[in-house]
Amino acid sequence: QKEVEQNSGPLSVPEGAIASLNCTYSDRGSQSFFWYRQYSGKSPELIMFIYSNGDKEDGRFTAQLNKASQYVSLLIRDSQPSDSATYLCAVMSNAGKSTFGDGTTLTVKP
Amino acid sequence: GAVVSQHPSWVICKSGTSVKIECRSLDFQATTMFWYRQFPKQSLMLMATSNEGSKATYEQGVEKDKFLINHASLTLSTLTVTSAHPEDSSFYICSAPRGGPSETQYFGPGTRLLVL
Repeated sequence: QKEVEQNSGPLSVPEGAIASLNCTYSDRGSQSFFWYRQYSGKSPELIMFIYSNGDKEDGRFTAQLNKASQYVSLLIRDSQPSDSATYLCAVMSNAGKSTFGDGTTLTVKP
Repeated sequence: GAVVSQHPSWVICKSGTSVKIECRSLDFQATTMFWYRQFPKQSLMLMATSNEGSKATYEQGVEKDKFLINHASLTLSTLTVTSAHPEDSSFYICSAPRGGPSETQYFGPGTRLLVL
């Protein structure tokens, strides 16, 4: 079992729809959870981080964390073509080491 | 604006040469920096943790004699790929946590290495 698993893609949604990206992790001691967006040929850029159970909203993005289920998700509302990218889920251990999922490629069709 | 820089952004070299990549934290100090490698259509793989003032910590399977890491100051870490071979061609990315080891990771723009 991988330490961090993301739903297999690619994921395709129409413009204006909600895109839902999911991630599960195996280390129950994980403390911090991050979502990064990576455009082709570029390095990852941070979208959101979440530490506590529940929802965290930032503009069109909502991160959801459920530590009991070891599950973290990212919702993108009103998806735009510019949101088309690979989204990486990262889980940070107490030691400060980040483990990344394989990523989910999202395509938003105009 | 960018908080972590990398130099160079592109390197093309002949097999057998050594290549040095620099990673700098801008306007903040980083006692720890991380080096990743990413092959096409694959996820980021942590290579090593660079520690200021002490030896780097390498992940399993990463040759420390081939990938030399030096954390020269609180704002600079370097990765040297020694005797590079075509299979070392990859996208190398560094990151630095802002605010301490458990804080948010900020990534550099990456260095694309092509070994001929």
